[in-house]
Amino acid sequence: QSALTQPASVSGSPGQSITISCTGTSRDVGGYNYVSWYQQHPGKAPKLMIYEVSKRPSGVSDRFSGSKSGNTASLTISGLQAEDEADYYCSSYTSSNTRVFGTGTKVTVL
Amino acid sequence: EVQLVESGGGLVQPGGSLRLSCAASGFTFSNYEMNWVRQAPGKGLEWVSYISSSGSSIYYADSMKGRFTISRDNAKNSLYLQMSSLRDEDTAVYYCARGYSGFVYWGQGTLVTVSS
Repeated sequence: QSALTQPASVSGSPGQSITISCTGTSRDVGGYNYVSWYQQHPGKAPKLMIYEVSKRPSGVSDRFSGSKSGNTASLTISGLQAEDEADYYCSSYTSSNTRVFGTGTKVTVL
Repeated sequence: EVQLVESGGGLVQPGGSLRLSCAASGFTFSNYEMNWVRQAPGKGLEWVSYISSSGSSIYYADSMKGRFTISRDNAKNSLYLQMSSLRDEDTAVYYCARGYSGFVYWGQGTLVTVSS
């Protein structure tokens, strides 16, 4: 159960768009449409931003969108805002009926 | 309002045991799958275990198999994690989280410190 691979950091200026990648294998990301994304601010519990690859929970801004191609999922944040500065984690269901998280990406708003 | 409140964390010696609890309220607990997720200090999220709504299906991360046991009591609206043979690397904040395809609700976490 290796962690999914994410870039350690991504940055952007206010108003810009950024994309965070999440690379797995055919046994997790590529095999199922059960990819989710979480935002975590320091000292806080994670918050679900995207589930089932591209669905947004109620209350989550439409500036957040998700997609998947092959074994790589992506989270795009458009119109970057200061409050988006946080750690982001992807997660996927796996062929072993388990779940696996990504390595995490620190988003910095310049 | 959905609430998940973890308890039972604390300091334990290597090789020791600890039982975490997660008290659920604000929803029909028996209808939902539950999970435990942990986060070591300064590190990323790590999925620990899953239990189905009835408790009939249970899964663990490889590194926890044989040492951790997840269970639930739907009559008490509670989720549990029995941890044994604890190691230094089990030191983390442990969260309970509701969901299957995405973890919508999380508790505030309880800190487990394994140290001599």
